[in-house]
Amino acid sequence: DQQVKQNSPSLSVQEGRISILNCDYTNSMFDYFLWYKKYPAEGPTFLISISSIKDKNEDGRFTVFLNKSAKHLSLHIVPSQPGDSAVYFCAAWNNAGNMLTFGGGTRLMVKP
Amino acid sequence: DAGITQSPRHKVTETGTPVTLRCHQTENHRYMYWYRQDPGHGLRLIHYSYGVKDTDKGEVSDGYSVSRSKTEDFLLTLESATSSQTSVYFCAIRDSTVSNQPQHFGDGTRLSIL
Repeated sequence: DQQVKQNSPSLSVQEGRISILNCDYTNSMFDYFLWYKKYPAEGPTFLISISSIKDKNEDGRFTVFLNKSAKHLSLHIVPSQPGDSAVYFCAAWNNAGNMLTFGGGTRLMVKP
Repeated sequence: DAGITQSPRHKVTETGTPVTLRCHQTENHRYMYWYRQDPGHGLRLIHYSYGVKDTDKGEVSDGYSVSRSKTEDFLLTLESATSSQTSVYFCAIRDSTVSNQPQHFGDGTRLSIL
């Protein structure tokens, strides 16, 4: 049973527009959430994170929103660029901070 | 980029043979992790280490063992490889001094078991 789910396996967006990637979780004990970006033949790289005590965190073009009551988070990329084309993984730390649980990933394609 | 080297980067082997993957770090981080990545499953934790000779099981540890005799090296062994262990394997490290710091990943080992 997947505790972190990314229900959209792929997303296509036009350059300059907003990309919204979604993630749902079931474990209310998760207290810290992260987004990773992965290019082919490379390891995932950390993008942005959010603590469960916050509902928003921004870093340049990237914003993560957390809705604890809905157990839902989303990553907004504005404006989207072709170089953002990659697989994005949502992940959550358990409250002991020793296990990171990943979603299945969403492949984002940004078209020029 | 975090100093993480995985070797080999690619390996093809036969069912029933033992396989060892190596993760080497130059960051002196305490925590090291092994994941496997499969389509639709994201990354799943196999084993992790919280210090030299200190290891624990993750979500999908059956058929795998690990060893950490030095801070910088974390080995993953498939004792008798099966086709279901065909996957891409990633090593990750984390600085333990600050809680909830992100993990940093190596570039992976693509393992095919025929």
